[in-house]
Amino acid sequence: DIMLTQSPATLSVTPGESISLSCRASQSISTNLHWYQQKPNESPRVLIKYASQTISGIPSRFSGSGSGTDFTLNINRVEPEDFSVYYCQQSNSWPRTFGAGTKLELK
Amino acid sequence: EVQLVESGGGLVQPGRSLKLSCAASGFTFSDYAMAWVRQAPKKGLEWVATIIYDGSSTYYRDSVKGRFTISRDNAKSTLYLQMDSLRSEDTATYYCARYDWEHDYFDYWGQGVMVTVSS
Repeated sequence: DIMLTQSPATLSVTPGESISLSCRASQSISTNLHWYQQKPNESPRVLIKYASQTISGIPSRFSGSGSGTDFTLNINRVEPEDFSVYYCQQSNSWPRTFGAGTKLELK
Repeated sequence: EVQLVESGGGLVQPGRSLKLSCAASGFTFSDYAMAWVRQAPKKGLEWVATIIYDGSSTYYRDSVKGRFTISRDNAKSTLYLQMDSLRSEDTATYYCARYDWEHDYFDYWGQGVMVTVSS
């Protein structure tokens, strides 16, 4: 199975800061990596597909980059509604796997 | 508007069975692969199973293979998860999700249904 390691586990920020979240795969997965946001007591929603491709309806402050084993989710100027848990997920092989998540919290 | 509504969760004893349902609306159900993803309390997301649009192929994580069965009724726009020989480690919120087969990601999610396996 492909393991995805997300870091940091928790990130404390103030609104307006710009941040980067990391996801590292245990083997190369090309760009078969997707990012999700899960707000407290809500279902996840997809933010970015194939490492860097935008999703309709997602604010432009969210962007992604990376390929191979190292991926990054960037949030340009964090908004109050962005405080959530962020997960990466690979679709390079079965079983589909998720990272353990990064919790973005208010400093 | 895409809607996925799960039902059938509850408290069940170890070794017993439970069947989850997911009623879909707002899209042509028979055109899409579907999946179940679960989340144990205070834990991360874990893919469980996927079924392609016509039900002819299914995929499972190893820990549920032989115990869980994913199926669908395209005439009723409904996805199912039959869970047998339940274990305490199956305790989780189970999400029904639409799977974009072309792009390989979960594009819509239901609100989730809780399954608790305990004596």
